[in-house]
Amino acid sequence: AQSVTQLDSHVSVSEGTPVLLRCNYSSSYSPSLFWYVQHPNKGLQLLLKYTSAATLVKGINGFEAEFKKSETSFHLTKPSAHMSDAAEYFCVVRSYGGSQGNLIFGKGTKLSVKP
Amino acid sequence: DAGITQSPRYKITETGRQVTLMCHQTWSHSYMFWYRQDLGHGLRLIYYSAAADITDKGEVPDGYVVSRSKTENFPLTLESATRSQTSVYFCASSEGQFNTEAFFGQGTRLTVV
Repeated sequence: AQSVTQLDSHVSVSEGTPVLLRCNYSSSYSPSLFWYVQHPNKGLQLLLKYTSAATLVKGINGFEAEFKKSETSFHLTKPSAHMSDAAEYFCVVRSYGGSQGNLIFGKGTKLSVKP
Repeated sequence: DAGITQSPRYKITETGRQVTLMCHQTWSHSYMFWYRQDLGHGLRLIYYSAAADITDKGEVPDGYVVSRSKTENFPLTLESATRSQTSVYFCASSEGQFNTEAFFGQGTRLTVV
């Protein structure tokens, strides 16, 4: 069975400080993992993806994530937050053996950025 | 234009009416999905399709019907709209079943009055 847990429903940071959004997953097989971002009243945009290549994945807008198999984690980070990063972020797992098209979403983390 | 498009973007309908939300993708992706997004529930899968003429239920299929006669289109029909179906609906597509990302449309905001 597959599952995704986003450990924080809401994260608040100041502009210019680091961002950490946490995601743990469960999968019986080697998963693919994704982070999506959703700005208010917009669709979901892919930030980055891990598909069993390099464990440190770089995405758009300065975001990156590290796949840690031993910790079953795929946390999203950014060294310096910008006001435009304020949005909701979704961690997604996809692997063999699941149902529902194998696309499993976390509940989302809302990121607020204070000036 | 290449991509995935949903129509309409906004829709207001009355309880009991039938309404169809359209989704069209230009990549010939095999997989297509319909989600609804509600506050406090995140994204919930309504239906998905692995190929033309192959559809399957997701987490919340009741009250919805889908069809996929062509690879590029995946319409979602609410047979008799209810207020509980007021939501934002997202369509998505992906090339394969594993190790590929899904691409999302801009969403349809449906209000049932």
